[in-house]
Amino acid sequence: EIVLTQSPATLSLSPGERATLSCRASQSVSSNLAWYQQKPGQAPRIIIYEASNRATGVPARFSGSGSGTDFTLTISSLEPEDFAVYYCQHRYNWPPLTFGGGTKVEIK
Amino acid sequence: VQLVESGGGVVQHGGSLRLSCAASGFSFSRYGMHWVRQAPGRGLEWVAFIRYDGDHKYYADSVKGRFTISRDNSKNTLYLQMDTPRDEDTAVYYCANQDDPNYTYYFDNWGQGTLVTVSS
Repeated sequence: EIVLTQSPATLSLSPGERATLSCRASQSVSSNLAWYQQKPGQAPRIIIYEASNRATGVPARFSGSGSGTDFTLTISSLEPEDFAVYYCQHRYNWPPLTFGGGTKVEIK
Repeated sequence: VQLVESGGGVVQHGGSLRLSCAASGFSFSRYGMHWVRQAPGRGLEWVAFIRYDGDHKYYADSVKGRFTISRDNSKNTLYLQMDTPRDEDTAVYYCANQDDPNYTYYFDNWGQGTLVTVSS
């Protein structure tokens, strides 16, 4: 099973600041990684797929990078609606599909 | 696309529960479907997958042998049969899938979730 480790667990930032979230895989997942945003009481929403492609309708302030074992989600300038929990997920050599433990981006 | 789960509730150890997910807005019989769960205050956990035709099924180790995923393409409905549930099965259960080839084995469609509580 491929384990995804996200860091930090919590990121405290102000609107307008840059957010950098990390996801590390226990073995290479090539570029087979997605990022999701989840707000309280809602289902997750895909924001990045294949490591660096923005999903439909996702603002350009969101970007993803990385391949192999190290991945980054960057939010260039936080908007109020971006404060949420973010998860990474791989689809490489499954089952199982696995998610990271999540990073909460909270208002400082 | 709309996915609507139902069937959640309180279930006792040794009992059973069947969750349903009614799908609409896409060609249900052409796409694989997943169940994903989220324990209260915790992260996401993939539970099970069924291929578009029902011929291939995969499970997380945590539920293998206790849960059964199935589908009825004539009713556009996905199911999850939960037998001998454990405390750790308490969670919101989402059905999820993708209908865009770019998102294969990612999840771009989610239901609203249905809460299952395992009680003694």
